[in-house]
This record gives sequence, structure tokens and C-alpha cells, in this order.
Amino acid sequence: ETGVTQTPRHLVMGMTNKKSLKCEQHLGHNAMYWYKQSAKKPLELMFVYNFKEQTENNSVPSRFSPECPNSSHLFLHLHTLQPEDSALYLCASSQAIAGMVASDTQYFGPGTRLTVL
Amino acid sequence: GDSVTQMEGPVTLSEEAFLTINCTYTATGYPSLFWYVQYPGEGLQLLLKATKADDKGSNKGFEATYRKETTSFHLEKGSVQVSDSAVYFCALPSGGSNYKLTFGKGTLLTVNP
Repeated sequence: ETGVTQTPRHLVMGMTNKKSLKCEQHLGHNAMYWYKQSAKKPLELMFVYNFKEQTENNSVPSRFSPECPNSSHLFLHLHTLQPEDSALYLCASSQAIAGMVASDTQYFGPGTRLTVL
Repeated sequence: GDSVTQMEGPVTLSEEAFLTINCTYTATGYPSLFWYVQYPGEGLQLLLKATKADDKGSNKGFEATYRKETTSFHLEKGSVQVSDSAVYFCALPSGGSNYKLTFGKGTLLTVNP
């Protein structure tokens, strides 16, 4: 595998379900991101992890819970979602240096298309 | 805060037509500027970037020049192909951090044979 991979590619879940989205990057990067892409809305940054530490939470509801066990893996745990949470969830990674920023180019995965019934 | 404004779509062109997608920005200083492309069913891919004023980014026949006097970074291609059909996003780092990108709303391009 190369680049940034995401699984599953498609997910349908009920409002009472618990599921997780997985992202893995094979680029040796140390910053990872979750974005939400909804129809007719700009791309929304949700979370940023830099060297496994969360450095950004853009007022995301607590029904979305991120986890970054190491610099290569990022999860988004989902529970009691709402139909309006249906969207494409994109993961991205970039190179960063602890305490400062370096490359600003982000590399994206293909996304998980989430449908909440 | 830092932001980008790009032309609303959709844009529909015939094959071999000339393409321009406008993007203007508001920023403190002179950040890097990006164009990302999203093909149907896929995530975003970096198309090109420019890191300083007067730089020209280019890739796959697309070009964009960083113009500080007009605060613009318009995307151009001389002859589009059906395979260029996608959504194009202009972006820049924001929030005083190079790792946080702000994206435009995206412009859907459809190229007909």
C-alpha cells in the first residue's frame, strides 16, 4: 500500500450503532487530519494530530471521537450519529516538525462515504 | 482571518477548450497557495502549488501564478480533456499555522467530448 488508505470506503449505520473509521498513511508523516465533506458545503477540518497529540478540535460534537495510537494510524469512532452526519469523511497527512511547522502539503485518502439512517 | 474565494460552478466546457477557474485570497503575509483536485469517487489530490509571489505552479498541463498585486491564484489550462472532469479546490494555510489549510468551496468542472 502506498499513500493514505481509508477503510471502509462505504458505511451505512443506524443512529444507535457504534462504528469506527480507519486511516493509515504510508508516507512517514507525523501529522494527520480528519475532514468532513458534505454536499454544497466547504470542506470542514475536524481534528488535527501532530506527533500523536491532538492539536485541533474544531468544535466537533462528542459523538465523534478521534484516536491516534501512532503517527501512521488515525481512527474516528462514531456513536449515536444523526442523519445530518452523513458525508464523505476524508483523512489526510503531512510532514511536520514538533514545536513548529514544516511542509504544508497535505496528502488525502479516498474517503469513507458515511450514510446515517 | 485568512480565506480563499473561488468562482462558483459548475463549469461546463467542450474538449480542447480553454479553462480558467478564478481564485482570490485574503491572508496575512505571503503564504503558500494550492490547487487540489477531486476526481469522482476519490479524495483530494494536490494538483499544484506555489510558495512565493510570482511563482508559477504547474502540473498535468494546468498552471497557476501567485500574484500578490491582485491577491489571485487563478487556475488555467489551455486545452481540457474529458478526464479533467473533477472538482477543483483552491487552498491556503491559515490560522497562523502551515499545517491547517483553508479550502475554497470547490468548482465542479465537466468536460464534454
